[in-house]
This record gives sequence, structure tokens and C-alpha cells, in this order.
Amino acid sequence: SQKIEQNSEALNIQEGKTATLTCNYTNYSPAYLQWYRQDPGRGPVFLLLIRENEKEKRKERLKVTFDTTLKQSLFHITASQPADSATYLCALENNNDMRFGAGTRLTVKP
Amino acid sequence: EAGVAQSPRYKIIEKRQSVAFWCNPISGHATLYWYQQILGQGPKLLIQFQNNGVVDDSQLPKDRFSAERLKGVDSTLKIQPAKLEDSAVYLCASSLGGTIYEQYFGPGTRLTVT
Repeated sequence: SQKIEQNSEALNIQEGKTATLTCNYTNYSPAYLQWYRQDPGRGPVFLLLIRENEKEKRKERLKVTFDTTLKQSLFHITASQPADSATYLCALENNNDMRFGAGTRLTVKP
Repeated sequence: EAGVAQSPRYKIIEKRQSVAFWCNPISGHATLYWYQQILGQGPKLLIQFQNNGVVDDSQLPKDRFSAERLKGVDSTLKIQPAKLEDSAVYLCASSLGGTIYEQYFGPGTRLTVT
């Protein structure tokens, strides 16, 4: 069956460090992959999209990689700040089949 | 630009009762999604509309859930009758459609079934 796994439920890091979040999938061939941020009591907010033929995408302090051989995406936040604390969700889509991972809760400590 | 609007924000009902949620997407967005998010889990797609046609409803429990998008704009999601396990946040999202996949989410409706 199709499965999406995000590396851990929670990740705690120190301010200024790089946060690395993992999204692994099995039995799925996504055409593209998205990362969203979700704060408590709010809907997810779109951050980045990467297509199956792209290896890397960057936006300000954010970087996403996509390895279709390993079936894995890595999401990096460099120079992390306490304001980056939130739950980060990966989402995969292929042929209108949209699936989200359970998310990783990131806490950046000052 | 106004975001995706949803109402109500909170709803408490007893099991076997009915409930309806409303969503107004961003103006001009052709694609509309309804998701169910249970506490501690990621959003689960229930139904996707392209304009007023259904693109995917494979994960919609059709014996109790129904959704419509009249005139290709607003949408309603209904549960009848509700079960305890329907307690969740119901999220509506919209996107431009075509090759633009970025989704904009509303604040969600938190449903508690007692």
C-alpha cells in the first residue's frame, strides 16, 4: 500500500542551526512534491514545490531536494529562527491523487 | 486578495446528527479540495472539484458524506449521520488549476461529535 513517512514526529534544534526534515514514500510515483507549514489552529501554508525531474529548489532560507531513486525528499531551513517553529508537511501528487504525510513538528530554541 | 473562507469555525454535534460546512475559495480558482485532518495526522483528501465537476472522490465515505460545488464557486460538505470518528478539522483549499498546483487553505472547521 502507498505510504508517506516523515522522519520524526518532533525535531528540536538550536537557533541559527540548519533544520533538516525528511519525507520518504513507498509504492508511489509522484509527479511533484510540495512542502507546507502548519501552525496550531490554522490551515497549511504552501512553501515550495519540486517536480519529479528537478533535483533541488531554493527559496530564501529554504531548500528542497527530491530523489526519485531513493523515493525521498529533504527539506532544509538554514539559519533557523524561533519563528520557524511549526509543523511541516510534505504532500505528494500524481494523477489527482493527493496525499499528505503526518508532519514533523519543528521547535527552534533561542 | 481575500483568502479561502470557511464557516463555521467550530461545531459540536451529537452522533447521528447532520452537519454542513461551507467554503468560499479564492476568486478565480478553478480547483477546490476538501480535506479531513484528524489530530496528529496529515490532511486526507476527501474530494476534489475542477470547476463544478468532481475530479476525485475516491476517499469520500459516500454512505454518509456528500459534497457539491454549484456554479463552480462555493462548496458545501455534508455529513449525515455523523459518527464519533468524524471528529476532526475539515479543511477547504483552492488552487488556480491547470499546471498551478500550489494550494491555498482556509482556517478549517473543527468538528466535535459527542
